[in-house]
Amino acid sequence: EVQLVQSGAEVKKPGESLRISCKASGYNFVTYWISWVRQKPGKGLEWMGRIDPSDSFSDYSPSFEGHVTISADKSTGTAHLQWSRLQASDTAIYYCARAYSSRYPFDSWGQGTLVTVSS
Amino acid sequence: DTQMTQAPSTLSASVGDRVIITCRASQSIGSWLAWYQQKPGKAPKLLIYEASTLENGVPSRFSGSGSGTEFTLTISSLQPDDFASYYCQQYNSHQAAFGQGTKVEVK
Repeated sequence: EVQLVQSGAEVKKPGESLRISCKASGYNFVTYWISWVRQKPGKGLEWMGRIDPSDSFSDYSPSFEGHVTISADKSTGTAHLQWSRLQASDTAIYYCARAYSSRYPFDSWGQGTLVTVSS
Repeated sequence: DTQMTQAPSTLSASVGDRVIITCRASQSIGSWLAWYQQKPGKAPKLLIYEASTLENGVPSRFSGSGSGTEFTLTISSLQPDDFASYYCQQYNSHQAAFGQGTKVEVK
């Protein structure tokens, strides 16, 4: 069974750093891209960026470029989303999702990680 | 970048109603469009891909159509389990994008 299991909820202060994770199982991790999707409270879905775990090539939505970093660890089958300096506006649920490549939909999703940034 | 526009943002309907949600792309995306259903507190679920192909296990009351820039999601007879939010998503380019979402609520 394909599963993407995300790390637990986080509460952070503005300016702090954070890395959340998405562990894949049930398939060959390097054969599917992993994307990250943000959902602010009561709002819609926003695509942030993606990584190809086979070569760690990543690209980002212009809205998120420079603010987050996406990485992948082939040895553990885990993708990460990282912030160096959180802002209150980063408060949201973050989902990871997999797609076979660029012209494929997101066919499996993680359960979501709630990140709360508050002073 | 390709922008996606969904309408309506909220739709009030009753069980048994036919429901249609539209999605427009700012430029042609061929048939590279997916529809997702999201219930409160849950991750989105893939319903339809390539504009009209039903994902395995999705009830046949859901259907999708369109190509180029205009797309629709139709629920032929709304069921109690269908009250949820729906999102379109283009995956024509390496930069994916979602529509703003449509909440289907009880009339």
